[in-house]
Amino acid sequence: SQQGEEDPQALSIQEGENATMNCSYKTSINNLQWYRQNSGRGLVHLILIRSNEREKHSGRLRVTLDTSKKSSSLLITASRAADTASYFCATENSGYALNFGKGTSLLVTP
Amino acid sequence: DVKVTQSSRYLVKRTGEKVFLECVQDMDHENMFWYRQDPGLGLRLIYFSYDVKMKEKGDIPEGYSVSREKKERFSLILESASTNQTSMYLCASSPATGPNEKLFFGSGTQLSVL
Repeated sequence: SQQGEEDPQALSIQEGENATMNCSYKTSINNLQWYRQNSGRGLVHLILIRSNEREKHSGRLRVTLDTSKKSSSLLITASRAADTASYFCATENSGYALNFGKGTSLLVTP
Repeated sequence: DVKVTQSSRYLVKRTGEKVFLECVQDMDHENMFWYRQDPGLGLRLIYFSYDVKMKEKGDIPEGYSVSREKKERFSLILESASTNQTSMYLCASSPATGPNEKLFFGSGTQLSVL
C-alpha cells in the first residue's frame, strides 16, 4: 500500500533557488529513498537514508529523516533547469517491495 | 550499468485482448517488480518476484498475472484488457535479498486500451 506522501504536489522555482520537498509516512521503515522521474520516463534512484541516520548528502542533494515525526525532506540546492522532474519518496519496510508516494512535480525556470 | 529493458515504449490494444508486457534485466538481480503509474495516484505495486517461478501479489493484482520462467525476465500479463488498465507500466529490478536499497527502473510502457 502507498505509504509515502509528498508535499507539495507541485513546486515552481527559478534557477539558482533551493527546492525543498517533504515526505511523510505511516509505519516504521528500514530505509527511505528518493527517486527522480523525467517526463514520461522511468524512475532513477537519487539517494537512500537508513532509519538510524538523520541526514545524508550527495552533491547538491540533502536528505533528512525524522523517524519520530515519520517524515523526510529532500533539499536540492542551486536548482538548474535540468532538475525539472517529478520526485518520489519510497519507503522500505517489508524486505521486498518499496512503497512510493504520489510525487512532487518540480519546475525550474531559467 | 544495470539495464532494465521493457519491450515496448507505447502499446495500443483493444478491450478484451490478451496483453503481454515484457521486462528483461541484465544484472542477475533477484527481485523484479511491476508497478503501474497513474496521474494523481503515483506508483502502485501490481506484482513482484523474488526468485525464478516465485511471485507475490502487490497492492493491485486484480486483472493481472505474471510469469518468471527465467531470472532475467519478468512478464506482466493482462488476461483480458480493459479500458481501466490504460496506464504507464514500470518494471524494476533490485539485487537485494534483504531490505531493498535501490531499484533500477525500465523506461516504462504506456499502454492504451481502446
